[in-house]
Amino acid sequence: DSGVTQTPKHLITATGQRVTLRCSPRSGDLSVYWYQQSLDQGLQFLIQYYNGEERAKGNILERFSAQQFPDLHSELNLSSLELGDSALYFCASSGEPTDTQYFGPGTRLTVL
Amino acid sequence: DQQVKQNSPSLSVQEGRISILNCDYTNSMFDYFLWYKKYPAEGPTFLISISSIKDKNEDGRFTVFLNKSAKHLSLHIVPSQPGDSAVYFCAASPNFYGGSQGNLIFGKGTKLSVKP
Repeated sequence: DSGVTQTPKHLITATGQRVTLRCSPRSGDLSVYWYQQSLDQGLQFLIQYYNGEERAKGNILERFSAQQFPDLHSELNLSSLELGDSALYFCASSGEPTDTQYFGPGTRLTVL
Repeated sequence: DQQVKQNSPSLSVQEGRISILNCDYTNSMFDYFLWYKKYPAEGPTFLISISSIKDKNEDGRFTVFLNKSAKHLSLHIVPSQPGDSAVYFCAASPNFYGGSQGNLIFGKGTKLSVKP
């Protein structure tokens, strides 16, 4: 158990819908990262937050947004969902940006 | 364009023998490399890392070798055990010690099967 929790574990929704994925980092970790793993793909970095502020952006679509709250949990919002958004979404946390990242178990999103 | 490549999607090894997983990268700005292991239905777990100022790092049965001139790194597992069966991801960070934000660039993974 990495100490990073993600909810829900599974999510099935329809095209055009909006969903929110939630992540609670390890106790004391200030950095949160979001990654997407599509079928047969490696993990693609989406976005990073540090102590409530956006620090880095990767290949995140404009339909996607994230935020980190004062209690340090983070949410990833996916809107106008398309079939191609079906993937595993992982959250990771670390103390400082250069510390080891610890990953949560992921949320499997299926868009029908 | 993939900056981190793991060209072998799968590898099968006999228990007790050596497992060698390979990874190539294209970006010379990468200065920190990591290996993660992933079991089904779990998130990736950190295994071992190496800084670009080193060419070898060892942790128990796991050793990572870095060849900067060839832009190549490898993970050696000796001896391999059935519990090592998992997907192994190579990852790299650009400008890690220069204040990189810490986001990692991953390869697509190699599925290792260790047969008893």
